Amino acid sequence: SAVISQKPSRDICQRGTSLTIQCQVDSQVTMMFWYRQQPGQSLTLIATANQGSEATYESGFVIDKFPISRPNLTFSTLTVSNMSPEDSSIYLCSVFTPNTQPGGNNEQFFGPGTRLTVL
Amino acid sequence: AQSVTQLGSHVSVSEGALVLLRCNYSSSVPPYLFWYVQYPNQGLQLLLKYTTGATLVKGINGFEAEFKKSETSFHLTKPSAHMSDAAEYFCAVRYSGGYQKVTFGTGTKLQVIP
Repeated sequence: SAVISQKPSRDICQRGTSLTIQCQVDSQVTMMFWYRQQPGQSLTLIATANQGSEATYESGFVIDKFPISRPNLTFSTLTVSNMSPEDSSIYLCSVFTPNTQPGGNNEQFFGPGTRLTVL
Repeated sequence: AQSVTQLGSHVSVSEGALVLLRCNYSSSVPPYLFWYVQYPNQGLQLLLKYTTGATLVKGINGFEAEFKKSETSFHLTKPSAHMSDAAEYFCAVRYSGGYQKVTFGTGTKLQVIP
């Protein structure tokens, strides 16, 4: 299994500012994922972050708005830039179980989320 | 492409009654299927998953789901609802094998009435 922590757990921010969310995993993992869950909606994948390479963004998400860092195999950050009220969401970090080979029976774990409110 | 449809954004059941949350998927290849639960102000927790083998999958907290390929369904059931089951439930699908993208359904909020 994997234990994931996120900081901050929640924040209230002003329009036009930026917030960096941290994700820490208790074991080394190859891929980390960032999701957004807007109020009353399901999870949407923002990007996939591999250590040592640029993140891969899903359609509708761009690096300038959501820059991601992945400095090592246990840590990642997601920045929400130039925020607007539409960015108010829960942001979740996720990983697959460590030491699992591609093609294997992977299990996905989620962090507790960061609840962001933009005024 | 893969997709998930959850029928009913809100479901209400009486305590002790059967819980049935519906999920249909589409996938061009054999899928892996998941049910997650999200309690208020908490992250997602895996309830159960289907990968290969037995089509009836048992999960935590008394929940189970059956993979029916002919119906492309993976409905979640529990024989007797408990107040603590009140939460939001998400069905998810991904292609089998490897680190593949997971697609989530829109979620079903379960209300349990005393």
